[in-house]
Amino acid sequence: EADIYQTPRYLVIGTGKKITLECSQTMGHDKMYWYQQDPGMELHLIHYSYGVNSTEKGDLSSESTVSRIRTEHFPLTLESARPSHTSQYLCASSDPTGLREQYFGPGTRLTVT
Amino acid sequence: DAKTTQPPSMDCAEGRAANLPCNHSTISGNEYVYWYRQIHSQGPQYIIHGLKNNETNEMASLIITEDRKSSTLILPHATLRDTAVYYCIVRVVTGANNLFFGTGTRLTVIP
Repeated sequence: EADIYQTPRYLVIGTGKKITLECSQTMGHDKMYWYQQDPGMELHLIHYSYGVNSTEKGDLSSESTVSRIRTEHFPLTLESARPSHTSQYLCASSDPTGLREQYFGPGTRLTVT
Repeated sequence: DAKTTQPPSMDCAEGRAANLPCNHSTISGNEYVYWYRQIHSQGPQYIIHGLKNNETNEMASLIITEDRKSSTLILPHATLRDTAVYYCIVRVVTGANNLFFGTGTRLTVIP
């Protein structure tokens, strides 16, 4: 079983609030990813990281930001939440070779009212 | 990464084999074929991957045509728990190793 965790699992928050979605993995993976998925729709990559102090934007433009200060931790932050940010956010990690699979966390379902 | 084409939905009777096709006619020589599935908006789960040869593991078998332009994921004895969206992804194993998820095939296993 993969050891990748996301908190909170569900979050309902008002417009304008700052939020941080947590993602941690205990597998020592260098590569980590954030995906966004609207209900019934495709997953879209919004951020990824090759390792500590490395962050890159993904294919889908996002107002969120990420940081990678520790290998095991890859938090995503929204400075001012808006209703358009309502979605599911999925974190994943993979080993350095990239040949093996990406392991996904259970996701955070965010609702901004 | 190469584009893939999958049927939007399929049904399969419980206990029968589920054969999920995927076309990837523009696949490059260094691109692998990966299959993931997503059960009811949980995080996607890796199933299997391959380059040229057919592959089998405890979950499924992957059959890749000789020209590599299409593949089939086989779940040998489908159960109700296999109801999910199945994604076929082709990608090179370099760089960020990003996965490009399409719309996938929604497999419904019928009792």
